[in-house]
Amino acid sequence: GAGVSQSPRYKVAKRGQDVALRCDPISGHVSLFWYQQALGQGPEFLTYFQNEAQLDKSGLPSDRFFAERPEGSVSTLKIQRTQQEDSAVYLCASSLGDRGRYEQYFGPGTRLTVT
Amino acid sequence: AQKVTQAQTEISVVEKEDVTLDCVYETRDTTYYLFWYKQPPSGELVFLIRRNSFDEQNEISGRYSWNFQKSTSSFNFTITASQVVDSAVYFCALVSGGYQKVTFGIGTKLQVIP
Repeated sequence: GAGVSQSPRYKVAKRGQDVALRCDPISGHVSLFWYQQALGQGPEFLTYFQNEAQLDKSGLPSDRFFAERPEGSVSTLKIQRTQQEDSAVYLCASSLGDRGRYEQYFGPGTRLTVT
Repeated sequence: AQKVTQAQTEISVVEKEDVTLDCVYETRDTTYYLFWYKQPPSGELVFLIRRNSFDEQNEISGRYSWNFQKSTSSFNFTITASQVVDSAVYFCALVSGGYQKVTFGIGTKLQVIP
């Protein structure tokens, strides 16, 4: 299908390890969002890209979190020196329109468990 | 600042009952957008509806209907004649200001019992 894909679907990391989470948005979608979803909570905004430009990173919880979208398509969310509180599902979404005014299409998420 | 409140964390209904999910939002902006998403047990969020602040017309789509009232800052969602397949977590979301940061509510878990 032509939906948003994320990899890996599950990731177990030992505390202190670095992880990289990948998002393949729908082809042609300008906007790409990353969210963090803790168990029983709604998605929490992390960062927003318009094409290759990261226009908002106000939701990134610390400087251990870094996101990029160098060619305006695939995006990677990197977490350095993982901590237990980083355990969550990380969701990627893309949208045809610019910014958050339009419906978003979500990937299945990456469940990160830090032990 | 923007905020979304979904006061009902869990609702259980018997199949074929009608159910309304509440959403109250806060924003200082006059232009904003509201959304509802569904997250079934499989986990992937699915878009249901989008409304902008200038369009208070209610909408009906099959068994789903939405009631947008600016006077009470509410955007409620009703499922008529609920079915087991409606069991999911439903999220209300708001974007305003620079339209970049989307704020989701905590979600309402709906269980439809056969």
